[in-house]
Amino acid sequence: KQEVTQIPAALSVPEGENLVLNCSFTDSAIYNLQWFRQDPGKGLTSLLLIQSSQREQTSGRLNASLDKSSGRSTLYIAASQPGDSATYLCAVDAGANSKLTFGKGITLSVRP
Amino acid sequence: DTEVTQTPKHLVMGMTNKKSLKCEQHMGHRAMYWYKQKAKKPPELMFVYSYEKLSINESVPSRFSPECPNSSLLNLHLHALQPEDSALYLCASSQELGRISNTEAFFGQGTRLTVV
Repeated sequence: KQEVTQIPAALSVPEGENLVLNCSFTDSAIYNLQWFRQDPGKGLTSLLLIQSSQREQTSGRLNASLDKSSGRSTLYIAASQPGDSATYLCAVDAGANSKLTFGKGITLSVRP
Repeated sequence: DTEVTQTPKHLVMGMTNKKSLKCEQHMGHRAMYWYKQKAKKPPELMFVYSYEKLSINESVPSRFSPECPNSSLLNLHLHALQPEDSALYLCASSQELGRISNTEAFFGQGTRLTVV
C-alpha cells in the first residue's frame, strides 16, 4: 500500500528565505507526483505536476524535483513571501484508476 | 480555463434533510472525483467517475449518493447525514483515468458542510 509522508508538519521562516519542502513515498511505481497548495478552508490549487519520466518541473519561484528510485520529491520555493503561507500537499498517482494518495501536508508560515 | 466550480460554498443541514452538492467543469475532462477532507487531514477519496460511469466507490456509506448526469457535471446527494460527516467536500477532475503520466488533477474550492 502506497504511503506518502511529509515532514515536518509545520514550518515557519522569515520572508525572503529560500526553502525546501520534502515528500517521500514508499512505492516507486508511480505515474506522476503532484504538488498542491491549500489555503485555510479552501480547495486545492495545483502547483506542479511531475511525470514519472521527469526529474523536475519549474513554475515561477517554484521548482519541484522527483527521484523515483529513492521515493522522494522536493518543492523548492525561492525568495519566500508572506503570501506563500499555506499548507502544501504532495500526492502520488500510482494506480490504474488515477487515485491520488496524499501526504498530510506541510503548513508553511512566512513571517514578514 | 482550468476551473472546477462547486456549489454551494457553505451548507448547513439537519440530520433529516436531503441536500445536494454540485460540481461543474468545462475542460473536457472525463474523470471526476469526490473527496472528503476533515480539518487538518489530507483529502480522502470517496468516488470516481469515468466517462459518466461510477468507477470507484471507496466503501462510502449509502447516505452519500453520487450522480454524474453528463460529462461536465457531478452531484453528491446527501440524506440522513450524521454530525461526523461535517467536512470540506472537494470535487476534482482530470483528463481521464488510466496509466497516464501527464494526468493532472484540478480541484474545486470545496463545499464546507456542517451537519447539525
